[in-house]
Amino acid sequence: EAGVAQSPRYKIIEKRQSVAFWCNPISGHATLYWYQQILGQGPKLLIQFQNNGVVDDSQLPKDRFSAERLKGVDSTLKIQPAKLEDSAVYLCASSWGRTSGLTDTQYFGPGTRLTVL
Amino acid sequence: QQQVKQSPQSLIVQKGGISIINCAYENTAFDYFPWYQQFPGKGPALLIAIRPDVSEKKEGRFTISFNKSAKQFSLHIMDSQPGDSATYFCAALNSGGYQKVTFGTGTKLQVIP
Repeated sequence: EAGVAQSPRYKIIEKRQSVAFWCNPISGHATLYWYQQILGQGPKLLIQFQNNGVVDDSQLPKDRFSAERLKGVDSTLKIQPAKLEDSAVYLCASSWGRTSGLTDTQYFGPGTRLTVL
Repeated sequence: QQQVKQSPQSLIVQKGGISIINCAYENTAFDYFPWYQQFPGKGPALLIAIRPDVSEKKEGRFTISFNKSAKQFSLHIMDSQPGDSATYFCAALNSGGYQKVTFGTGTKLQVIP
């Protein structure tokens, strides 16, 4: 079974530029997550999709971050314009999408390391 | 109330020793407590998990101890090996509905030969 794919693996940009990250989840997984992991911290959920609908984006800075999951498969996360504090690893994860008491293991991709100068 | 507090921030253990990482939570709605292991350049991977209806779960050299009344849980790595050197995150979630995971801040474990 292929894992979660992400690209690019590394990105360096100047502040105020825009950047986009791509994620391809495990085949058949209904739920897709984007996390921000700042150095020395645990992952923080930015947005969670169930198929192509958003179920949680409460911690997404919507003035600069946007995400979409067209056709309920691949997803892109965009930052425009980037700030210095956006420097972090952006992790994508996916899961089957079980609810109601059944645990739903998340499988993470390798992440994209973003450096904003 | 959504926080999961984790300690220590870093840990150095000799090969063959026991590594212990502690976590505490506040939200009593959490009912599933996974631990993730993350190697440099990789995403976190599920290591072991526990529900609060049991006080201990063991898988190989990894054991979770759970204290529901204190709202604390810990990971013990027995016979620690250099290959266990990684960052470990505790986490907590409510398994009802869409399962939003709250992660601890992480513990960087180094096992020295």
